[in-house]
Amino acid sequence: GAVVSQHPSWVICKSGTSVKIECRSLDFQATTMFWYRQFPKQSLMLMATSNEGSKATYEQGVEKDKFLINHASLTLSTLTVTSAHPEDSSFYICSARDFGLASGIYNEQFFGPGTRLTVL
Amino acid sequence: LAKTTQPISMDSYEGQEVNITCSHNNIATNDYITWYQQFPSQGPRFIIQGYKTKVTNEVASLFIPADRKSSTLSLPRVSLSDTAVYYCLAPRIRSGGGADGLTFGKGTHLIIQP
Repeated sequence: GAVVSQHPSWVICKSGTSVKIECRSLDFQATTMFWYRQFPKQSLMLMATSNEGSKATYEQGVEKDKFLINHASLTLSTLTVTSAHPEDSSFYICSARDFGLASGIYNEQFFGPGTRLTVL
Repeated sequence: LAKTTQPISMDSYEGQEVNITCSHNNIATNDYITWYQQFPSQGPRFIIQGYKTKVTNEVASLFIPADRKSSTLSLPRVSLSDTAVYYCLAPRIRSGGGADGLTFGKGTHLIIQP
């Protein structure tokens, strides 16, 4: 299957700083990527849809000025958590769909390994 | 979107067959039934998808009755490495192609014991 990577796999930062997380599709082009957040022992929550060459679409309740998304190429989307605070500590996961893969599976998402963010 | 309900947790033993049932009473005509697996501190992984009747692949089977109001994921002869959270989803077909983000419910935490 298609491979999605994330960098870094974990990051610890001080409160008030900004953190950038990268999501890359390694062997396919992804015009659309998705960003999710998962708190401990909870389910994944969709944060936003990242579209190559255009503005991201944010889910209700997600602050677009706090979670900046840039999808500048067909293989890279970045999520920047600005002025991070302890409540932003979470597991951030991205996903992408390989439209070139004729698997017959509707909307199959390939997920990255996740990035653990800890804000002190 | 269809709301899915699954047991919070299940226990089984190595070598057993495990069946996880998901309820989706308000499923729509354009919704597919999809299951993902997630290990701790990893991203989810696609397991299987179906629309109706039975689907089988190399890792699981998916049984969907005619009314499509529920579905059962069947894992044959589980091992310790099958301990994970299993999510039942019902993504909707979008006309014109494209893709939408997925809506995850609480999932079922499956624990396999020796």
